[in-house]
Amino acid sequence: NAGVMQNPRHLVRRRGQEARLRCSPMKGHSHVYWYRQLPEEGLKFMVYLQKENIIDESGMPKERFSAEFPKEGPSILRIQQVVRGDSAAYFCASSPPGRVGEKLFFGSGTQLSVL
Amino acid sequence: TQLLEQSPQFLSIQEGENLTVYCNSSSVFSSLQWYRQEPGEGPVLLVTVVTGGEVKKLKRLTFQFGDARKDSSLHITAAQPGDTGLYLCAGHTNAGKSTFGDGTTLTVKP
Repeated sequence: NAGVMQNPRHLVRRRGQEARLRCSPMKGHSHVYWYRQLPEEGLKFMVYLQKENIIDESGMPKERFSAEFPKEGPSILRIQQVVRGDSAAYFCASSPPGRVGEKLFFGSGTQLSVL
Repeated sequence: TQLLEQSPQFLSIQEGENLTVYCNSSSVFSSLQWYRQEPGEGPVLLVTVVTGGEVKKLKRLTFQFGDARKDSSLHITAAQPGDTGLYLCAGHTNAGKSTFGDGTTLTVKP
């Protein structure tokens, strides 16, 4: 499967715990985007990364949220001390070289539920 | 902040009917994309429009980019139940990221 891989598909956490969401981009793609989606709403941009660099994190809350895309391994979106309002679907997308960010290839998402 | 407004928010029609959904903004985009999303899955890219006034056809789907590159429409002819889904437009700028509208949820009843 050469598509964008996200895991886990479903993640249940209790308030105060940490959530780690993983994303492996498509082969040959070096740009990764994280979006958040609430039911029956569109996708809200969170962060855009290239290998080892955060390019734009303007959509990410300043506290409790962090993202990384190391030289080796998947991109990680980390949410510390989760609260019920963090419950949402989190989608990762990767973009081919060229007009970066124009054509996005999405994973199947991680549904985070905070109890 | 660049905002994209999609209308209608919800649309329920019978199989065989035609429909148009809209995506409007006050901002100019270098290109605009349409995606379709099914429940429990990520969005899938349908088309990219780049030139003002451009029209692209994908089987029964016709996409148009406004002359000023601020708005777009998606027209579906003879809708089928398999067209059911959330249709999202996204505007891209040279800053490297895409801004999404809130989508139109389409239900096509057999």
